[in-house]
Amino acid sequence: KAGVTQTPRYLIKTRGQQVTLSCSPISGHRSVSWYQQTPGQGLQFLFEYFSETQRNKGNFPGRFSGRQFSNSRSEMNVSTLELGDSALYLCASSLGGVYNQPQHFGDGTRLSIL
Amino acid sequence: SQQGEEDPQALSIQEGENATMNCSYKTSINNLQWYRQNSGRGLVHLILIRSNEREKHSGRLRVTLDTSKKSSSLLITASRAADTASYFCATDEGGSNYKLTFGKGTLLTVNP
Repeated sequence: KAGVTQTPRYLIKTRGQQVTLSCSPISGHRSVSWYQQTPGQGLQFLFEYFSETQRNKGNFPGRFSGRQFSNSRSEMNVSTLELGDSALYLCASSLGGVYNQPQHFGDGTRLSIL
Repeated sequence: SQQGEEDPQALSIQEGENATMNCSYKTSINNLQWYRQNSGRGLVHLILIRSNEREKHSGRLRVTLDTSKKSSSLLITASRAADTASYFCATDEGGSNYKLTFGKGTLLTVNP
């Protein structure tokens, strides 16, 4: 079974631009979560989607948004990029969410803002 | 805010030794999970322990959970150089929050 796939693996942008990151979950998984990882703040929850519905959102500004498609693939978008958005963005999938279920992570997208 | 907090922040041991990492959390949970992350890669799930369980084993890994103290420990026995990684605990707060809250992690270095 293929794992969670995130594209692209690396991305370099400049301040003010916008970016879209993609996540393909494990086949059959309907829950997709996104996390931001930085050396200073660690792993921070961004949002979780299940069957195209956002069920929870972390404490991030409105510049961060996401969506999930009918095939469970998910995208997240960051607009008006800031230097502080430089981070590793991780996507995780599971059958139904975090309730007593392990999360399967992709290798992430490394976003660098110049 | 980070609910799970690992201790120590960094641990360096020799191959063959045991490594113990601790995690504390603040609110009630349904489960606690441990993950490993190699440098620049995604997280790999190790063990999930439910709130009504006290101990769980998987190969060379042993996890304990003490809900009265809101703490957990991860023991890696007979460590190998390949165990070098960061280890994170993560909790789901009781209820339907649909998210995991991670600690800052313990960086384990196993020297050959």
